[in-house]
Amino acid sequence: QQQVKQSPQSLIVQKGGIPIINCAYENTAFDYFPWYQQFPGKGPALLIAIRPDVSEKKEGRFTISFNKSAKQFSLHIMDSQPGDSATYFCAARVEDSSASKIIFGSGTRLSIRP
Amino acid sequence: KAGVTQTPRYLIKTRGQQVTLSCSPISGHRSVSWYQQTPGQGLQFLFEYFSETQRNKGNFPGRFSGRQFSNSRSEMNVSTLELGDSALYLCASGGAGYEQYFGPGTRLTVT
Repeated sequence: QQQVKQSPQSLIVQKGGIPIINCAYENTAFDYFPWYQQFPGKGPALLIAIRPDVSEKKEGRFTISFNKSAKQFSLHIMDSQPGDSATYFCAARVEDSSASKIIFGSGTRLSIRP
Repeated sequence: KAGVTQTPRYLIKTRGQQVTLSCSPISGHRSVSWYQQTPGQGLQFLFEYFSETQRNKGNFPGRFSGRQFSNSRSEMNVSTLELGDSALYLCASGGAGYEQYFGPGTRLTVT
């Protein structure tokens, strides 16, 4: 119930292509869905986030699409560049007894070929 | 604004020893969460502290503990280290909203 399932595990895209990473969840109590980008040797960096009352959010070349009825959300990277090569994590926040925690997906290793 | 800082960045310990990791959150943030990251298990929530109180705890054994000080700095302790405790330990700082900002992590190797 408190899982976030992420796919694919790895993805290779040519420069300029649009990689899409998908996530699915079961718990309808999740109320905030962030995406993180992690480069080797670094901590995850918050990229973009969405709340379930919004179907799409764009920030620069990054777009989250959110389908509340299907309990799915996805990250699209427009005009992808080699510098976007990193591991991407989707996540979901749940509040439980006045405390919150963030559950992470398993990660997608993205490689953008020049 | 300075980001989240974690010390030390790298640590090598022997099985059976204990270790203490430190995290300083972003100035003004009162929430600190700790996560363990391993290739096999991914990012797993350890615990969250807010105003010196543990608000939430993940499914880790009692060997993993933490605390938070009045200046919001937090420490995490692992006692009786096991080989499986080798991981990247990340802390995340949270402010008034839902966003969490991660530090660079402490890479712990247990031999």
